[in-house]
Amino acid sequence: QQQVKQSPQSLIVQKGGISIINCAYENTAFDYFPWYQQFPGKGPALLIAIRPDVSEKKEGRFTISFNKSAKQFSLHIMDSQPGDSATYFCAASSSNAGGTSYGKLTFGQGTILTVHP
Amino acid sequence: KAGVTQTPRYLIKTRGQQVTLSCSPISGHRSVSWYQQTPGQGLQFLFEYFSETQRNKGNFPGRFSGRQFSNSRSEMNVSTLELGDSALYLCASSLVPGAEAFFGQGTRLTVV
Repeated sequence: QQQVKQSPQSLIVQKGGISIINCAYENTAFDYFPWYQQFPGKGPALLIAIRPDVSEKKEGRFTISFNKSAKQFSLHIMDSQPGDSATYFCAASSSNAGGTSYGKLTFGQGTILTVHP
Repeated sequence: KAGVTQTPRYLIKTRGQQVTLSCSPISGHRSVSWYQQTPGQGLQFLFEYFSETQRNKGNFPGRFSGRQFSNSRSEMNVSTLELGDSALYLCASSLVPGAEAFFGQGTRLTVV
């Protein structure tokens, strides 16, 4: 019940195209859904995050869409650029359980995005 | 503002040895979490510390331990190293548990 399933494993997109990565979760207690971007040799960098009180959040070219009833959320990268080529991870956490805050993140398996020029 | 600092960046150890990794969180952040990243298992939660107390622990054997100091800096220790412990160990800091988490560059541990 703690899993977060991410798809696809890899994605190839042409420059200027839209990249879409999907995640599904089972634990209904999850209430925080961040996306991380990781370049080789670096730690994951927080990209954008959403909480279930909204269905969409946009920051620049990056948009999270959230479907609470389907227990799914996705990352859309508009106007994809070669510099966006990286591994993307979705994650989820139950940040508040029984009045206590926790920061444990459960990660998806990652999507390797390649943007061709 | 300095980010999360992990030291050392790279380590090579022999099976059976022990190792200590260090993490300095972003200034003002009081919560530190540790994760193990491997190609096969992905990113897996190890433990979380806040106010020098372990608040949460992942499904790892007792050989993995950690602690947090009064200045919020944290260390993790792995004893009796096994080949399978080879991984990138990542530290993340946040203001408080459940807030946005920011990762360091990690410590690459290789066990031979």
